[in-house]
Amino acid sequence: GQQVMQIPQYQHVQEGEDFTTYCNSSTTLSNIQWYKQRPGGHPVFLIQLVKSGEVKKQKRLTFQFGEAKKNSSLHITATQTTDVGTYFCAGPAAGNNRKLIWGLGTSLAVNP
Amino acid sequence: NAGVMQNPRHLVRRRGQEARLRCSPMKGHSHVYWYRQLPEEGLKFMVYLQKENIIDESGMPKERFSAEFPKEGPSILRIQQVVRGDSAAYFCASSPPAGLDEQFFGPGTRLTVL
Repeated sequence: GQQVMQIPQYQHVQEGEDFTTYCNSSTTLSNIQWYKQRPGGHPVFLIQLVKSGEVKKQKRLTFQFGEAKKNSSLHITATQTTDVGTYFCAGPAAGNNRKLIWGLGTSLAVNP
Repeated sequence: NAGVMQNPRHLVRRRGQEARLRCSPMKGHSHVYWYRQLPEEGLKFMVYLQKENIIDESGMPKERFSAEFPKEGPSILRIQQVVRGDSAAYFCASSPPAGLDEQFFGPGTRLTVL
């Protein structure tokens, strides 16, 4: 079945270091979404990418959507302790673009 | 504009009891999704509903679990005869009838089965 895979599963960094998480889909996606879940919290939408090769920035966060629309990445520059949490990518299920297929997430820990 | 509301936030049940979790979507949203999350794990899709219809329940166990989204009132996820393995956080999300696929999540219900 359709799958979305994320790596790494966990990442520990020192505050100020960069961080990247990668997302790969088994199928071509019409769009990809990124969410952040803080410890003890609920997922919060960060961004949606739609176009092939699209790059979007939100302050220190850079999101990319691959040319083939099957992979994506989230890069955080100079991490801060407020970046701690789990980052999920998700893409629409084939044939049903309302249901999302989710990656398992990358948990980021930042040492001050 | 209130966000997605879920209640209760915490629910404790003994084995064999019923758990009833409620979700009120954002105003104007007609699509509701239920997810289960175990500690330190990802989101597991359970069911997707529109008003009065179940669209996709492929992630929901065939027994003991049911979901509804009536014309009036909140969406309900019902777990009958709970077992310890049902202990988890249950998140509800909603999205509007058209436009972006972005899902807005509620704060979740933490279910503990003793």
